[in-house]
Amino acid sequence: GAGVSQSPRYKVAKRGQDVALRCDPISGHVSLFWYQQALGQGPEFLTYFQNEAQLDKSGLPSDRFFAERPEGSVSTLKIQRTQQEDSAVYLCASSPGQYSTNEKLFFGSGTQLSVL
Amino acid sequence: GESVGLHLPTLSVQEGDNSIINCAYSNSASDYFIWYKQESGKGPQFIIDIRSNMDKRQGQRVTVLLNKTVKHLSLQIAATQPGDSAVYFCAENGGTASKLTFGTGTRLQVTL
Repeated sequence: GAGVSQSPRYKVAKRGQDVALRCDPISGHVSLFWYQQALGQGPEFLTYFQNEAQLDKSGLPSDRFFAERPEGSVSTLKIQRTQQEDSAVYLCASSPGQYSTNEKLFFGSGTQLSVL
Repeated sequence: GESVGLHLPTLSVQEGDNSIINCAYSNSASDYFIWYKQESGKGPQFIIDIRSNMDKRQGQRVTVLLNKTVKHLSLQIAATQPGDSAVYFCAENGGTASKLTFGTGTRLQVTL
């Protein structure tokens, strides 16, 4: 497809389970971002990749959160031992260049994670 | 899908009127600002951006105004249409090259 694709669209997990969320950015886009959006709030930055390099992970809430982009295209956000406060929409975004916040981001529709 | 912005500030406008959505940003180091539109169940969609060396930028039916003195950003939508109904977020880059900080959002409701 032409846009950023995320899967699954919805994920329900029991507390304590591990989950993996996938992002397929727009082909050729260098920069990739993960954001977390709680209900009724704006997206909050989690982490940023430039190609396969994770240049900023300052927004990851805890060491239970891990992201990777091993070949510089598809990215996976993994959350270990999920907790109820992890329930949110996880958004992936990509942009063409390296200096990414000086150009617009293209967002996917997100994965809605519900932890019971 | 989920509902975005259940308790957000809401602006109601009649179809055909102009809309003005305001945003106060916090970081004086920010030099790049963006407005995004988010419909229920979808990711944010780029509307318009502006750099700090500009005060005003126009797009198709939209204008962004930047007042750096008071750290204020506004989005003007001309001849508002039902399809403009959504939650609108401003975002700033905080002078960084890696992250955007989003505001809390405003829900725009267009009445017929």
